[in-house]
Order: sequence, then structure tokens, then C-alpha cells
Amino acid sequence: EPEVTQTPSHQVTQMGQEVILRCVPISNHLYFYWYRQILGQKVEFLVSFYNNEISEKSEIFDDQFSVERPDGSNFTLKIRSTKLEDSAMYFCASSEQGPPNYGYTFGSGTRLTVV
Amino acid sequence: DAKTTQPNSMESNEEEPVHLPCNHSTISGTDYIHWYRQLPSQGPEYVIHGLTSNVNNRMASLAIAEDRKSSTLILHRATLRDAAVYYCIRGTSYGKLTFGQGTILTVHP
Repeated sequence: EPEVTQTPSHQVTQMGQEVILRCVPISNHLYFYWYRQILGQKVEFLVSFYNNEISEKSEIFDDQFSVERPDGSNFTLKIRSTKLEDSAMYFCASSEQGPPNYGYTFGSGTRLTVV
Repeated sequence: DAKTTQPNSMESNEEEPVHLPCNHSTISGTDYIHWYRQLPSQGPEYVIHGLTSNVNNRMASLAIAEDRKSSTLILHRATLRDAAVYYCIRGTSYGKLTFGQGTILTVHP
């Protein structure tokens, strides 16, 4: 079964450093998303991306965050200057068709630890 | 605001059916009902979704009330691998899924 692949599985970074989280969505999918989950808390929406532009973003997704689909296969989330509170699991997801009548496939996540 | 209400936890025995309820009394006519589950230390996994009619797939069945104010996810024969947090979510445009706390399902051998 096709999978969404996320790398790395775990990243440790120092506060103030830039990090890039990488995702390879399923090849024929056109809609891409990032979510995050702080330990013990709900899964939170960050951003949706379609046709090389952001469709919707949450209040969490401020100027520190950016997304990119650099080469037609990867989908990246960049955090420019990490803060302690950015420590969380970050999940990438993709879907073949647009919402709301379609399910998403999520990756296994990247655990980001900011120290 | 997830705008769905689910019990915090439920328990089941292995090989028995499980009915996971969800209330969504303020649902609009175009909102789909999605169910996802999250196993420990994994990303959410799509289970099923529907609009008005009952739906079946290889994982589960979804029964939607006629007035669409509630729905029930049915696992026909629970296994230990079905132990997870189950989320009932209203599907909106642009793909934003608003996760609530979900229902923690415990399956006893």
C-alpha cells in the first residue's frame, strides 16, 4: 500500500536554529498538509497546500514557518528559528482529491525536539 | 473547536463488535463525517468517511443518523490491533481536519 514517507524520524535542534522537515507524499496525490501534535495534546492543523500555493493555514503557522514543494516529489516544512515550544511530532499528509470528500494518508511523523 | 462530541474512552473484548458514537448536532449539509484513528506513537490513520448514507469498507462501517446529528463507527470484530484513539471529525473545505480528544478504545484479550 502506498505510504507517505517522512524524514528524519527524530530531529534534535538547538533553540534558534533552522530546521527542515521532509515529506514524500504519495505520487499521484495533489493535496498536501502538515499537522503537529505536542506530547499529550491534540493533533493540530498547520497548513494545507495545493497547486503550489497555501490553501489554508492556522494561527500556529506564523512567519516562522514556510512550506515548499521544491521538486515535484518532496514537500517540506521549514521552521526558521526554532523555539522550545516547537517541540512536537510533525505529521505530513496527502490526498488524491480535494476535501472534504476524500481521506488523507498520514506519514509516521518527525519528532522534533528543541533544546 | 472540533464541534463533535465523543466519549472519552470505551472498552471492548477481542472478537466482539464495537460501536463508537459521535454527536455532531451542528453539522451543516455539506460537511462530511470522517473517522481517523491513531495507534500509539503513530500518525493518524484514515478509517472511513460519509455524508448521508451508511458506508462500509474493509476496516469498518459508518452508520449516519437520518438527521445527520450523530454517527456511529462500527468495528465488526475488534482485535488487539484496533486499540487506538478514534477521532470523529467534520470534514470541511480546504482540508482542515479539526481533531478533538477522541475516544480511547481499549480491547481486552
